[in-house]
Amino acid sequence: QQPVQSPQAVILREGEDAVINCSSSKALYSVHWYRQKHGEAPVFLMILLKGGEQKGHDKISASFNEKKQQSSLYLTASQLSYSGTYFCGTDYNTDKLIFGTGTRLQVFP
Amino acid sequence: AAGVIQSPRHLIKEKRETATLKCYPIPRHDTVYWYQQGPGQDPQFLISFYEKMQSDKGSIPDRFSAQQFSDYHSELNMSSLELGDSALYFCASSLKGSMNTGELFFGEGSRLTVL
Repeated sequence: QQPVQSPQAVILREGEDAVINCSSSKALYSVHWYRQKHGEAPVFLMILLKGGEQKGHDKISASFNEKKQQSSLYLTASQLSYSGTYFCGTDYNTDKLIFGTGTRLQVFP
Repeated sequence: AAGVIQSPRHLIKEKRETATLKCYPIPRHDTVYWYQQGPGQDPQFLISFYEKMQSDKGSIPDRFSAQQFSDYHSELNMSSLELGDSALYFCASSLKGSMNTGELFFGEGSRLTVL
């Protein structure tokens, strides 16, 4: 079973904020976040390894609530370059990365 | 810096034909992953290799096979192609154990179209 993301799609104006949630029905040992632009490869954003961990760079950050089996990605002061599909992912303690259902983000001027 | 190289970038085949995709991982990376991504879908894990041995398997059809060679490059062989096999196929590489310490590095993908 793959993690479920919400919302499925987000439309923003430049400068607005967004939150993307990732939820799993199974225990999460780590959470990865990737961004994929149309027709391109997924690009790694960050990985969270421990419950309670928060990470971020530039204006994109994430948190990991291990007990709730959830992670959230925070995008602040969005830029046009933030447009794309965001995937969370987890390995469920295996050697493979299972992607979430994806959230399509569109930022308009 | 060297990235993951996939070839061919585009491939058009007829139904029931065979296709082979190649992947050259980043130097010194010992693990290769294959993903299939249909239009508007999330990447689906197919299979992975560590040190030339299959390490995990996902939703890979029996018509597909893959292997990792001594130089660490990998090939995905697809036979009896069906229309539903049309997709973007990504290869990714990493260092073993990096699932918890780092990222997967993805190639630019091979777009397969089955007519």
